[in-house]
Amino acid sequence: EAGVTQFPSHSVIEKGQTVTLRCDPISGHDNLYWYRRVMGKEIKFLLHFVKESKQDESGMPNNRFLAERTGGTYSTLKVQPAELEDSGVYFCASSQDLSYEQYFGPGTRLTVT
Amino acid sequence: KQEVTQIPAALSVPEGENLVLNCSFTDSAIYNLQWFRQDPGKGLTSLLLIQSSQREQTSGRLNASLDKSSGRSTLYIAASQPGDSATYLCAVNSNYQLIWGAGTKLIIKP
Repeated sequence: EAGVTQFPSHSVIEKGQTVTLRCDPISGHDNLYWYRRVMGKEIKFLLHFVKESKQDESGMPNNRFLAERTGGTYSTLKVQPAELEDSGVYFCASSQDLSYEQYFGPGTRLTVT
Repeated sequence: KQEVTQIPAALSVPEGENLVLNCSFTDSAIYNLQWFRQDPGKGLTSLLLIQSSQREQTSGRLNASLDKSSGRSTLYIAASQPGDSATYLCAVNSNYQLIWGAGTKLIIKP
């Protein structure tokens, strides 16, 4: 069974540009989560999808971040326009049920210069 | 607001020793707790999951305990090996989102 995959593995963009990160959860997992770790800080929750619906987006830092999960399959996280403080590692996770184990992808390292 | 603390921040021990990593959380209303390891430049590897109704979980040389009432979890590593060197992260499932500790950086000296 394939695990959670994320693309790209690394992205370097200039301040003001747009970047879209993609996450493919484990097949059959209705729950999809985005987290990020910025330099020197703990990993922080961004948002949670149940199928195609946003269940909790309390961790989204501002309106420059837009997450979608069309059709309840893969998810995208768009940052527009990117700022220097957006640099970090963005992790995606999925779970079969809300209180079950969350399985993580390898992460996307975003560098904004 | 749930807060997770991991002590110590760093630990260096000789190979072969048994060791304990600590994780504490402020709100006992949790669904489960997960322990992860992260190697430099790599992703997150899930080690153990303890549901809120459980007291401990074991996998090989690893044993994790959970005391929800006191807000504590420990990760016990037996007979440590250089390959165990990594950062160990504790994450509490609170309101279905994971709240993370800052991690313990573990170095096992050959």
